[in-house]
Amino acid sequence: AQKVTQAQTEISVVEKEDVTLDCVYETRDTTYYLFWYKQPPSGELVFLIRRNSFDEQNEISGRYSWNFQKSTSSFNFTITASQVVDSAVYFCALSPASGGSYIPTFGRGTSLIVHP
Amino acid sequence: EAQVTQNPRYLITVTGKKLTVTCSQNMNHEYMSWYRQDPGLGLRQIYYSMNVEVTDKGDVPEGYKVSRKEKRNFPLILESPSPNQTSLYFCASSLRGRDTYNEQFFGPGTRLTVL
Repeated sequence: AQKVTQAQTEISVVEKEDVTLDCVYETRDTTYYLFWYKQPPSGELVFLIRRNSFDEQNEISGRYSWNFQKSTSSFNFTITASQVVDSAVYFCALSPASGGSYIPTFGRGTSLIVHP
Repeated sequence: EAQVTQNPRYLITVTGKKLTVTCSQNMNHEYMSWYRQDPGLGLRQIYYSMNVEVTDKGDVPEGYKVSRKEKRNFPLILESPSPNQTSLYFCASSLRGRDTYNEQFFGPGTRLTVL
């Protein structure tokens, strides 16, 4: 069975602070994909990143960066110099890369509040 | 514009009154799915479809039906809605190649209240 744990229910920071959102996963699959999605207050879900389990290189996209550590089953997301527009609920998700089950598992989400 | 549309966006209904939430995508995606989002529970998959006429249960299928007669449409049917189906529903679609998994594109959501 798959499991995704986002232990931080809510994080509150002041603008320009750096913030890291934790994601820990469990899976028996040898190949899998990890995702992060953003849900701003308007409610839509926006894809941020996909990471293949074979690729442990960290990724940076502007102020966003992701740290994938297979040894600790973690896929953490860091926002550098946070802005008010980063306020949203962020979901981490896991999906098997092959096999019969295509059911992705989402974490319960972390609500990030960035104060001006 | 590439998108996933859902209708209605908001619906208030009563227990037992059959309803359908439509979902349509214009990206020629093979894979479509339905999720419900509840406070503190994240997103849970209800049903998914790998292609036309191919559907399967997700984590929480009880009380729901789906059909996939056309590639672009994937309606969610509640034959006899109950208050515990009050939730925010999302439809999603993605390309799905063999042994690959692409990001999902989500619809805007349908907020359903069952009284």
